[in-house]
Amino acid sequence: SQKIEQNSEALNIQEGKTATLTCNYTNYSPAYLQWYRQDPGRGPVFLLLIRENEKEKRKERLKVTFDTTLKQSLFHITASQPADSATYLCALGVGNTGKLIFGQGTTLQVKP
Amino acid sequence: NAGVTQTPKFRVLKTGQSMTLLCAQDMNHEYMYWYRQDPGMGLRLIHYSVGEGTTAKGEVPDGYNVSRLKKQNFLLGLESAAPSQTSVYFCASSYWVRTGGQPQHFGDGTRLSIL
Repeated sequence: SQKIEQNSEALNIQEGKTATLTCNYTNYSPAYLQWYRQDPGRGPVFLLLIRENEKEKRKERLKVTFDTTLKQSLFHITASQPADSATYLCALGVGNTGKLIFGQGTTLQVKP
Repeated sequence: NAGVTQTPKFRVLKTGQSMTLLCAQDMNHEYMYWYRQDPGMGLRLIHYSVGEGTTAKGEVPDGYNVSRLKKQNFLLGLESAAPSQTSVYFCASSYWVRTGGQPQHFGDGTRLSIL
């Protein structure tokens, strides 16, 4: 069956450390993968997109990797800050209709 | 620009009642989507539209209908509400490009409780 999984447990880290979030999938062949941030009571906000032919993408303190052999994406936040505390969602893009398949999200808590 | 606006923000219904959720976007996006978000389930696609006058089913379409009479608006209807439809509903929109992958822009959701 098709599945997309993110760390179900919350991730707690100390300010200044690097946070690494994992997104694993099975039985999908995504053309691209996106990461979103969601704050309580708000809608998701787009962060980064990486395509199947790209290994790595960076944006300021954010870095995403995409390994289509391992069927895994890693999302890194370097020099983390308490303001980075939120739920992070990964989403697979399949086909060309713009449809996304979302993971259940991982909650990150950065402690001062 | 307001982006994606959803109305209402909160609503409580009784089982069997009907209602319509409205989504409006001012970014001239071709694509629009309706999702529901339940604890531990992530976002699940209900219906989507690739242009004015067209709609298609997503992952969980049963019990819902949609219409896209104008490019900027996407309506989600519940004909006979059931407690299982208690959820947070999100609307999103995006541009279309041939290669896909355009970011989706989300509204802040409608919190719906069915008693």
